[in-house]
Amino acid sequence: AQSVTQLDSQVPVFEEAPVELRCNYSSSVSVYLFWYVQYPNQGLQLLLKYLSGSTLVKGINGFEAEFNKSQTSFHLRKPSVHISDTAEYFCAVSVSGGSNYKLTFGKGTLLTVNP
Amino acid sequence: DAGITQSPRHKVTETGTPVTLRCHQTENHRYMYWYRQDPGHGLRLIHYSYGVKDTDKGEVSDGYSVSRSKTEDFLLTLESATSSQTSVYFCAISEQGPQETQYFGPGTRLLVL
Repeated sequence: AQSVTQLDSQVPVFEEAPVELRCNYSSSVSVYLFWYVQYPNQGLQLLLKYLSGSTLVKGINGFEAEFNKSQTSFHLRKPSVHISDTAEYFCAVSVSGGSNYKLTFGKGTLLTVNP
Repeated sequence: DAGITQSPRHKVTETGTPVTLRCHQTENHRYMYWYRQDPGHGLRLIHYSYGVKDTDKGEVSDGYSVSRSKTEDFLLTLESATSSQTSVYFCAISEQGPQETQYFGPGTRLLVL
């Protein structure tokens, strides 16, 4: 079974600073990787996803993530954050192939951007 | 935004009473999911459906049942609500397999007293 570990439960940063949110996964087979964002009192929405090909994936709102198979990581980065990026971020993994359509989420990282 | 609605949006109930939450989609997506979100636990899958009348359990299915009699509706039932089922419940949909994006509803906040 697959699992996801988000290494930081909270990340406070100042506006215009760079940020990295860390995600490691565990799976014995090939995976698809996702980052979702949840703004206060809303549902989740997709930031970006890695299916195959280039290991650097660009998403919405200036975020990007890099898939590193040897380190089983999929860290999310943004070079300069805004107040509006304050939200909770979830890394998720699903297994490619077969009949398993489940998405396994990490516990989330709360990003707080301070002025 | 994907056409997903959840009802009710908020509910307060008492221990031991049955509760049904409804998820309705207008996207004709094949897959529908129910998650619960609790502080420190992220989102955990309760049940999911891969077609009309086709459902399967997730990681936290005890105490919950589901039904899907139409493509657009996925019901989650708490047969006898307990305080441990106080949570925020999210419905999600996706078109096909594991590579597909899941689209989430706005959530239902349930308080069991």
